[in-house]
Amino acid sequence: AQKVTQAQTEISVVEKEDVTLDCVYETRDTTYYLFWYKQPPSGELVFLIRRNSFDEQNEISGRYSWNFQKSTSSFNFTITASQVVDSAVYFCALRHSGGYQKVTFGIGTKLQVIP
Amino acid sequence: NAGVTQTPKFQVLKTGQSMTLQCAQDMNHEYMSWYRQDPGMGLRLIHYSVGAGITDQGEVPNGYNVSRSTTEDFPLRLLSAAPSQTSVYFCASSPRGNEQFFGPGTRLTVL
Repeated sequence: AQKVTQAQTEISVVEKEDVTLDCVYETRDTTYYLFWYKQPPSGELVFLIRRNSFDEQNEISGRYSWNFQKSTSSFNFTITASQVVDSAVYFCALRHSGGYQKVTFGIGTKLQVIP
Repeated sequence: NAGVTQTPKFQVLKTGQSMTLQCAQDMNHEYMSWYRQDPGMGLRLIHYSVGAGITDQGEVPNGYNVSRSTTEDFPLRLLSAAPSQTSVYFCASSPRGNEQFFGPGTRLTVL
């Protein structure tokens, strides 16, 4: 069985602060994919990043960065200099590599950036 | 490309009514899925399909049916609506191994 835990259900930060969203996962697969999705107040789900289990390089995209650590089964997401537009629910997800490649989502972290 | 489209956007049903939520994608993706999103529970998989003619159950399939007669379409049928099926429903498609593309969602209320 696979599981994704996002222990922070809600986080509030003041604009321009840095914030890290935690994601811890469990899987017996040796090959898998990890994802982050953003759901702004408008409700759509937006893909942010995919990382496969063989690639532990951290990734930076503008103000966003991701820290993948296989040793701790974590795939954390940091927003630097947060902005009001970052206010959203963020989901971490895990995908099997074989078969249907079922995706398991965490329950999401609601981030509120206060101006 | 329209991506993943879902209709309707909003729907109100009475207990016991049936209806079909429509989902279509124009990206020629193999995989399609239906999820429901409830407060505090994230996204839960209802049914999925790995190609035309092939469907299977996810975590919460009871009360729902699906079919996939074409690559493009993956409708979700509620057989006899219950208040517990009040939720936001998302359809998603993806090529093998890659990220999912989600439709805009259908907000369903069952009275």
